[in-house]
Amino acid sequence: TQLLEQSPQFLSIQEGENLTVYCNSSSVFSSLQWYRQEPGEGPVLLVTVVTGGEVKKLKRLTFQFGDARKDSSLHITAAQPGDTGLYLCAGPRGSQGNLIFGKGTKLSVKP
Amino acid sequence: DAGITQSPRYKITETGRQVTLMCHQTWSHSYMFWYRQDLGHGLRLIYYSAAADITDKGEVPDGYVVSRSKTENFPLTLESATRSQTSVYFCASRGLAGSNEQFFGPGTRLTVL
Repeated sequence: TQLLEQSPQFLSIQEGENLTVYCNSSSVFSSLQWYRQEPGEGPVLLVTVVTGGEVKKLKRLTFQFGDARKDSSLHITAAQPGDTGLYLCAGPRGSQGNLIFGKGTKLSVKP
Repeated sequence: DAGITQSPRYKITETGRQVTLMCHQTWSHSYMFWYRQDLGHGLRLIYYSAAADITDKGEVPDGYVVSRSKTENFPLTLESATRSQTSVYFCASRGLAGSNEQFFGPGTRLTVL
């Protein structure tokens, strides 16, 4: 069974700090996605990483896909209160390409 | 407005009652999905549909029924609601061939008393 484990489960930091959250699996994925979910809303896609070792940047967010395509990380530089939310990683499984999701990292950035 | 909408946004019902959650998308996406989101479990797939009149079970289908007579609508029915079905339900769609990106609705918070 393919599982995606995210850590830490909860993270509370002050504005301006840096942070990294992780998404790990024992299985190889053809790609991994990161979504952000704000309270009362559905998840929204941030990025898809496809190639082992790939690094993608989205403003202050840096996403990396592990060389073996079993893990990914999200690094936020100088976090802001607007970064608060639940960060979910997801990967495709099965012939239909349905997604499995990690349980998420709940980030709180205090001003 | 274009996009994916869900109704109702909030619903309180009693054990044993039938409840239908609605999902509507305006993109003509082929694939549609129903998830439930619970603390400690994350997002779990209930049912999905590859096209009109084609549906299939996901990870946690028991107690739920779906239909898809039109591409744009994908209702989810709880035939006899139970307390364990108290959850937040999300509908999603996926359109581009070769893309796994899913677009989510705003969710329905369902409470079963």
